[in-house]
Amino acid sequence: EDKVVQSPLSLVVHEGDTVTLNCSYEVTNFRSLLWYKQEKKAPTFLFMLTSSGIEKKSGRLSSILDKKELFSILNITATQTGDSAVYLCAVGPGGGADGLTFGKGTHLIIQP
Amino acid sequence: DAGITQSPRHKVTETGTPVTLRCHQTENHRYMYWYRQDPGHGLRLIHYSYGVKDTDKGEVSDGYSVSRSKTEDFLLTLESATSSQTSVYFCAISEFQNEQYFGPGTRLTVT
Repeated sequence: EDKVVQSPLSLVVHEGDTVTLNCSYEVTNFRSLLWYKQEKKAPTFLFMLTSSGIEKKSGRLSSILDKKELFSILNITATQTGDSAVYLCAVGPGGGADGLTFGKGTHLIIQP
Repeated sequence: DAGITQSPRHKVTETGTPVTLRCHQTENHRYMYWYRQDPGHGLRLIHYSYGVKDTDKGEVSDGYSVSRSKTEDFLLTLESATSSQTSVYFCAISEFQNEQYFGPGTRLTVT
């Protein structure tokens, strides 16, 4: 059975701090790992990683995948209150046909 | 935002009644998915479709059926709703590469 485990489950930091969110996985036929942000509504897409060791960046957010050790991290630098959300990690098999397997998410709270 | 709508957005129904949720997309994406999201479980795949009239089961498909007669519409039916099907239901779409985009969700309460 495919499994995605995220840690920590919740995290409270102050504005301006840097945070690292973790995602480990055990799946068959791995093709990609995805990160989503969810703020009391639909998940919104952040990154998709398919290759090991290549960092993806978007502003203050970055992510990297280690396919040998089966994990990924999501970094957020200079956090803002608007970064408060649940961050979801998901993995998917090839081809786009089968659905994603999601972790339970990390609930991130940024205090002013 | 990807052009995905879900209807209804909220529904309260009684145990034993059939319920149909609709997902409509304007992106002409081939793949469509239904997930449910519950506290403590995260998002779980119910059914998915890889083309018109082509569907398959996901992790938690018992008690649900789907249909896709047009590229743009994917229907999820609860044949006889139970309280355990109280949840938030999300539709998602993708083209080739697993990058899925989610609709706004439907909050279903079964009393």
